[in-house]
Amino acid sequence: DAGITQSPRYKITETGRQVTLMCHQTWSHSYMFWYRQDLGHGLRLIYYSAAADITDKGEVPDGYVVSRSKTENFPLTLESATRSQTSVYFCASTSRGASYEQYFGPGTRLTVT
Amino acid sequence: GDSVTQMEGPVTLSEEAFLTINCTYTATGYPSLFWYVQYPGEGLQLLLKATKADDKGSNKGFEATYRKETTSFHLEKGSVQVSDSAVYFCALEGSARQLTFGSGTQLTVLP
Repeated sequence: DAGITQSPRYKITETGRQVTLMCHQTWSHSYMFWYRQDLGHGLRLIYYSAAADITDKGEVPDGYVVSRSKTENFPLTLESATRSQTSVYFCASTSRGASYEQYFGPGTRLTVT
Repeated sequence: GDSVTQMEGPVTLSEEAFLTINCTYTATGYPSLFWYVQYPGEGLQLLLKATKADDKGSNKGFEATYRKETTSFHLEKGSVQVSDSAVYFCALEGSARQLTFGSGTQLTVLP
């Protein structure tokens, strides 16, 4: 399918477990982003990537790890999940030119029990 | 650092009412500004954008003007419809293309 997809769409996990959220885009966009959405906070940037093998921290990176070995994929790993990481996670991508639209995936709703 | 302050919600209007959602920002320089909309259970979609001072972004009857004097980018629509019910986010673009979002405003339009 064309576009940006996320998997799984829903995930329930236990405290302390490792969880990986997947993001895949078919446009060969250079930039990819991970945001988390929490009530009252809007969306906050976790990590971003300007190209394959180039990643950098955003506003709330603690407890998360990312990698980007291929342009089209940008997985987000919670190394040891905590209840405070219960959230809705959105992946987004955009092309290299300035001020282009960011395209968002449908989101992953993660619950940590 | 960059920040966006958005009008607190929720906002409830009757169909055909006038809508304003206030948005102000703090940033170095003159960033591009955006309004995104989120319908229930979906990701965010770009509604409109403005890339420089005095630009007016418009789409689907919504408008917002980039005001550098007041560092504002208020969203307006002259006549809302039930289908406009959604959460609206104001955002600015940083130097690494990342977006800084406001907290979102829930709009409900009643028939």
